[in-house]
Amino acid sequence: RKEVEQDPGPFNVPEGATVAFNCTYSNSASQSFFWYRQDCRKEPKLLMSVYSSGNEDGRFTAQLNRASQYISLLIRDSKLSDSATYLCVVNPGGSNYKLTFGKGTLLTVNP
Amino acid sequence: SAVISQKPSRDICQRGTSLTIQCQVDSQVTMMFWYRQQPGQSLTLIATANQGSEATYESGFVIDKFPISRPNLTFSTLTVSNLSPEDSSIYLCSVFRDGHTEAFFGQGTRLTVV
Repeated sequence: RKEVEQDPGPFNVPEGATVAFNCTYSNSASQSFFWYRQDCRKEPKLLMSVYSSGNEDGRFTAQLNRASQYISLLIRDSKLSDSATYLCVVNPGGSNYKLTFGKGTLLTVNP
Repeated sequence: SAVISQKPSRDICQRGTSLTIQCQVDSQVTMMFWYRQQPGQSLTLIATANQGSEATYESGFVIDKFPISRPNLTFSTLTVSNLSPEDSSIYLCSVFRDGHTEAFFGQGTRLTVV
């Protein structure tokens, strides 16, 4: 099983659609979870952290299910500017800061 | 967020030569990380750069090929040596603000080896 596994995508959706990305991780001791966004030919940038209680930031909602080792990202009312690759990232925590990245899911929002 | 300046942003190099990439952070950080992102792939950690000690390399990466310097808490360099076309990738430096768990990245260096 890969350490961090994401929906392979790509996702092509119309503007205004709701789209959900899923991610699973293998290390049950992992402590921190993130969604990063990477635009074409750019560096990854933090989109949001993911907490056990779930968290929302505008049109974006992230959920964590520790029992199932599952992370999700929901984007509502998609905009053209949401087109990017979304990376699921896991931090094992403690003194080990080695992030593990999923392969990313490419989202294209079409007019 | 951390401000990270990475240079060069891109380069085209002849095989057999070397490229040194610089990463400057706007504040002191304990650990800096170097990643490689091959075309169509996600990020793979090359090594952790520690100030005052040798870098810690991940499996599959060796110091002779990827020497790293970390002269102080705000600066690091990664050299990719004896270049071959397989080294064509994006190389990224990354830091954590002390006490934080989210990472910040430099703008990346797009290397093409011809």
